Amino acid sequence: DAGVTQSPTHLIKTRGQQVTLRCSPKSGHDTVSWYQQALGQGPQFIFQYYEEEERQRGNFPDRFSGHQFPNYSSELNVNALLLGDSALYLCASSLGGGDTEAFFGQGTRLTVV
Amino acid sequence: AQSVTQPDIHITVSEGASLELRCNYSYGATPYLFWYVQSPGQGLQLLLKYFSGDTLVQGIKGFEAEFKRSQSSFNLRKPSVHWSDAAEYFCAVGNKNTDKLIFGTGTRLQVFP
Repeated sequence: DAGVTQSPTHLIKTRGQQVTLRCSPKSGHDTVSWYQQALGQGPQFIFQYYEEEERQRGNFPDRFSGHQFPNYSSELNVNALLLGDSALYLCASSLGGGDTEAFFGQGTRLTVV
Repeated sequence: AQSVTQPDIHITVSEGASLELRCNYSYGATPYLFWYVQSPGQGLQLLLKYFSGDTLVQGIKGFEAEFKRSQSSFNLRKPSVHWSDAAEYFCAVGNKNTDKLIFGTGTRLQVFP
């Protein structure tokens, strides 16, 4: 079992550009959550996808959007990048429901210059 | 509002010494509580979780945590620290209805030989 895989591992973008990050959940998991972890901070919840729909959303602007595919994999899109979007973006997968363990990927390190 | 406080930003201990990392939470309902560990450049690994039942929870790598409802605390402990335990530790709170996690700001553990 490959666990949660994220791609790419690192990328550098310019202010104003758009970026897409990808996540493949752990085998058998149907729920994907995305978190932003700024340097020196704890992860902040962006949103969660279940059955190809956004089920919950954190306090992030509409520039942050996502998608879940029928195979449960997911994308995080960020438009009009700002310097403050530089962070480690973590994907977590789970079976849904709070009493299950969320498994995290290694993250994508996004640097906006 | 739900929140998690980790009062200690940075802790240094000698190898072989005991460890206690503090976590306090603010949550309206019965919380689900988690401790995660993050090594540099890595994702999050679950150490242990509390949903209900016995308030003393055993986890991986010799860690344990105790849920104290009266103090709104979920402190992480280890009787004898190893150099490989040096990492960032995050406390998180969730609930039975969702996989959304609210994280503290983390405690960085440094271990001296």
